[in-house]
Amino acid sequence: DQQVKQNSPSLSVQEGRISILNCDYTNSMFDYFLWYKKYPAEGPTFLISISSIKDKNEDGRFTVFLNKSAKHLSLHIVPSQPGDSAVYFCAASALAGTASKLTFGTGTRLQVTL
Amino acid sequence: ETGVTQTPRHLVMGMTNKKSLKCEQHLGHNAMYWYKQSAKKPLELMFVYNFKEQTENNSVPSRFSPECPNSSHLFLHLHTLQPEDSALYLCASSQDHRELFFGEGSRLTVL
Repeated sequence: DQQVKQNSPSLSVQEGRISILNCDYTNSMFDYFLWYKKYPAEGPTFLISISSIKDKNEDGRFTVFLNKSAKHLSLHIVPSQPGDSAVYFCAASALAGTASKLTFGTGTRLQVTL
Repeated sequence: ETGVTQTPRHLVMGMTNKKSLKCEQHLGHNAMYWYKQSAKKPLELMFVYNFKEQTENNSVPSRFSPECPNSSHLFLHLHTLQPEDSALYLCASSQDHRELFFGEGSRLTVL
């Protein structure tokens, strides 16, 4: 049973437009959420996180929104750039804001086209 | 030099072989992790070490044996693996279990 789901395996967005990557979770105990980005032949790199006490966290072009009632979070990238093309993983933790036991989604491959 | 380095990057082994994966972190973190990524599956946590002590074993078969001699080094000893163990094995580190910093992974193929 997958507790963190990324239902879109891929997404294509034009350069300059907004990219929206979605993630749903089923475990109501999750209270800390992270997004990771992965280029081919590299390990995932941390992008942005959000605690369940917030509903929005922004860092430059990246904003994560959390809707606890819907058990849904999304990552917005504005404006999208070709260098953003990568696989994006959503992850969640139930351990008081720590990453000691993260549950990952299967990832969404983002392609930013010129 | 990258923060978390893994060797080898690629490994092919037979089911009767014994091999080891190595991970070294240069970030001064106190926690290290092994994750497994199989095709079309989410990353799966295997082991967690905090200050050299194993704090998590996520029901991993005994043919995978971790070793953490100090806070900077982590090994995964492999013995009598099965073809379905073929995957990308990722090492990560963190400070106080905050954001994970991953290595580039070791791609393992079991014949």
